[in-house]
Amino acid sequence: GQQVMQIPQYQHVQEGEDFTTYCNSSTTLSNIQWYKQRPGGHPVFLIQLVKSGEVKKQKRLTFQFGEAKKNSSLHITATQTTDVGTYFCARVNNDMRFGAGTRLTVKP
Amino acid sequence: NAGVTQTPKFRILKIGQSMTLQCTQDMNHNYMYWYRQDPGMGLKLIYYSVGAGITDKGEVPNGYNVSRSTTEDFPLRLELAAPSQTSVYFCASSYGRPAGAGEGFGPGTRLTVT
Repeated sequence: GQQVMQIPQYQHVQEGEDFTTYCNSSTTLSNIQWYKQRPGGHPVFLIQLVKSGEVKKQKRLTFQFGEAKKNSSLHITATQTTDVGTYFCARVNNDMRFGAGTRLTVKP
Repeated sequence: NAGVTQTPKFRILKIGQSMTLQCTQDMNHNYMYWYRQDPGMGLKLIYYSVGAGITDKGEVPNGYNVSRSTTEDFPLRLELAAPSQTSVYFCASSYGRPAGAGEGFGPGTRLTVT
């Protein structure tokens, strides 16, 4: 089935630094969703992107959907220790397939 | 609404034993999913259902079975447990496509097969 590739696998930042994770597909996506999973927890939905070139913001988080709808990114400005976790993208048709995730650690 | 509930929270199985992981949602969602997540890894889709009476295989269906006799329930059956099935299992549900609000995940079942 259609897969999404996510990079980087890990990212370690100093508190206050920015963070970006990227999600790429070889085929056009109908939409993409982003999730956050805290250590020991379950994935929590963050946002869904549907339109080409779409940009959505949630406080310090900025989500983008590429013009060709083949890639997406999540950018966190000025990371905080509460941002720690793994961020997943997921492409959604009738089924939902996740990228491998980017694990973010933040040093205070 | 309780959302998506899963039972049990934890289980230890011996090799060859069988068990059913329960998943129930009270949001009248059409779509339901089962995922497994191995330590430090991503989520792999096992089975999914787009409505009562309809189920489809995901990425890693071998060793598992599902049924969807009602909208609310989507149990996952392991017939002959193997150590490779040691994992955390998550159930999720959503209303439809595009969901908009995203899938709601249950808290997970931690399964160890020894």
